[in-house]
Amino acid sequence: NAGVTQTPKFRVLKTGQSMTLLCAQDMNHEYMYWYRQDPGMGLRLIHYSVGEGTTAKGEVPDGYNVSRLKKQNFLLGLESAAPSQTSVYFCASSYEGSEQYFGPGTRLTVT
Amino acid sequence: RKEVEQDPGPFNVPEGATVAFNCTYSNSASQSFFWYRQDCRKEPKLLMSVYSSGNEDGRFTAQLNRASQYISLLIRDSKLSDSATYLCVVSPRSSASKIIFGSGTRLSIRP
Repeated sequence: NAGVTQTPKFRVLKTGQSMTLLCAQDMNHEYMYWYRQDPGMGLRLIHYSVGEGTTAKGEVPDGYNVSRLKKQNFLLGLESAAPSQTSVYFCASSYEGSEQYFGPGTRLTVT
Repeated sequence: RKEVEQDPGPFNVPEGATVAFNCTYSNSASQSFFWYRQDCRKEPKLLMSVYSSGNEDGRFTAQLNRASQYISLLIRDSKLSDSATYLCVVSPRSSASKIIFGSGTRLSIRP
């Protein structure tokens, strides 16, 4: 039982490049979330999903897209990376809106 | 006013001391409350849920004060391993997009 996993763990991008972050969970949770965490700030919700095939915008969705084609996977895409997207990205999952379980994070630097 | 506010600290206390910190929230419709612990460069991990009647887990006690809209965390007989950032989380439960994380309170336990 791996819980929530994220790939990759680290990535450096140049401005304008694209990438996809993968989140996988094996707890059969319906809800999945993508957050970013910046120094001195709390976790901010980017996008979330309440079930397979559904996604919705969170607090800071601009510049990101997501897909939830399978219940266990939640992908976060950056189409054209910007330095402002340098951050630590956490994926989480939960049963309905209860306590969330987080992945280990992806450290992204955009130069 | 932020929706969820925490004193950023750092709280620097000696081993064995008792330490407490609060988290205030602005949305009176909030239904679920949690404390998470986050170690440096790691993902947040659930420490405990906060129930209306309060709850205790070993050296940790969490309380909810709905009238004054705050939750608290008390740590007794603090250990060096308690050094971390403590995040409070407030949720209306009915909406995944409304889950709000505080920015965290840093706690440092010294020998």
